[in-house]
Amino acid sequence: GQQVMQIPQYQHVQEGEDFTTYCNSSTTLSNIQWYKQRPGGHPVFLIQLVKSGEVKKQKRLTFQFGEAKKNSSLHITATQTTDVGTYFCAGGNAGGTSYGKLTFGQGTILTVHP
Amino acid sequence: NAGVTQTPKFQVLKTGQSMTLQCAQDMNHNSMYWYRQDPGMGLRLIYYSASEGTTDKGEVPNGYNVSRLNKREFSLRLESAAPSQTSVYFCASSERWGYTFGSGTRLTVV
Repeated sequence: GQQVMQIPQYQHVQEGEDFTTYCNSSTTLSNIQWYKQRPGGHPVFLIQLVKSGEVKKQKRLTFQFGEAKKNSSLHITATQTTDVGTYFCAGGNAGGTSYGKLTFGQGTILTVHP
Repeated sequence: NAGVTQTPKFQVLKTGQSMTLQCAQDMNHNSMYWYRQDPGMGLRLIYYSASEGTTDKGEVPNGYNVSRLNKREFSLRLESAAPSQTSVYFCASSERWGYTFGSGTRLTVV
């Protein structure tokens, strides 16, 4: 079945440093979505990327979808303590019959030291 | 607008007991999902319902059953709880993209 791998598993940064998490799929994806989960909370949808090579920005967050639609990245510029949490990527299976079903990566846990 | 509501928020079960986790959404979404979250494992799909009247197995369905009661409600049942089912359970709904998650049920099986 489809597998989505995410690295690194943990990332510790000093406030103000940049942060990047990477997501790789074993199969071509129809779309990639990113979610943030604060400690003790539930995942919250951040963004969806659909097109090959697509780049989207949300303030200090930059999301990229690879040309082959098999990988993606999330980059945070100048981290703040409010960025603390687990970031998940989730891929939709291209050509699959299960519309809307996502496979989640293991997540990257980000801690930010003030 | 409540979004996705899950009950209960916390539960402790003894091995062999049964229980049903409830989930309801008020966004008129067609698709609903049950995931479990374990440390280092991410979110793993248990069952999903693409639309009212249909349900399908996900990645880890063993030991669980589901019911799509109507468009709003999607319940998850553990018939005979096992310690391996200790986890955080999330219900989610979606229309075309972007899941909305409930706040989760923290289940401990002793």
